[in-house]
Amino acid sequence: AQTIHQWPVAEIKAVGSPLSLGCTIKGKSSPNLYWYWQATGGTLQQLFYSITVGQVESVVQLNLSASRPKDDQFILSTEKLLLSHSGFYLCAWSPGTGLSGNTLYFGEGSRLIVV
Amino acid sequence: GDSVTQTEGLVTVTEGLPVKLNCTYQTTYLTIAFFWYVQYLNEAPQVLLKSSTDNKRTEHQGFHATLHKSSSSFHLQKSSAQLSDSALYYCALSPYQGGRALIFGTGTTVSVSP
Repeated sequence: AQTIHQWPVAEIKAVGSPLSLGCTIKGKSSPNLYWYWQATGGTLQQLFYSITVGQVESVVQLNLSASRPKDDQFILSTEKLLLSHSGFYLCAWSPGTGLSGNTLYFGEGSRLIVV
Repeated sequence: GDSVTQTEGLVTVTEGLPVKLNCTYQTTYLTIAFFWYVQYLNEAPQVLLKSSTDNKRTEHQGFHATLHKSSSSFHLQKSSAQLSDSALYYCALSPYQGGRALIFGTGTTVSVSP
């Protein structure tokens, strides 16, 4: 069975400080990977997606960047946090092919508070 | 562009009564899949229902939805709401496989009271 793990679970960071969030998918080779952001009480906004290692496409940047250094790893980062970065960050994967190719499976999420 | 509209931000219902969440969409793609996701408090969203077949009823955990391409709708219903159904529900569409994946609506919070 496939599992997806995100880290850290929660962070409180200062404005202007750097950030790195990560997720790892086990049990699935070459998954499509995604980062979503959810403001408190807000909808799910897709930020980035990656279909293969080393390739990341931006949907909405929000002064963030993403990388896929390994087939099973997706990293979200920024060098300088803004107050508006606060929210719930969700990593997700999809098979990309087959009958359930476009079903998204989310990780537990990382809650970020910027102060 | 593609979009999903959920008209209700909050739906309150008494336990045991029916509940319906509206979802309509706009898309230029012919091949599409639709989803309902449920997000419980402090948890990640999880898929509740999925459908890509026009006029076919899909059921799971007491909820059901039917994709109607003629009216561009994929409403979610349950005949008898339970307290445990209190959550945030998202309707989403996927116009193609992989890539930019799901486009979510703004979500509807369901609050079930005794």
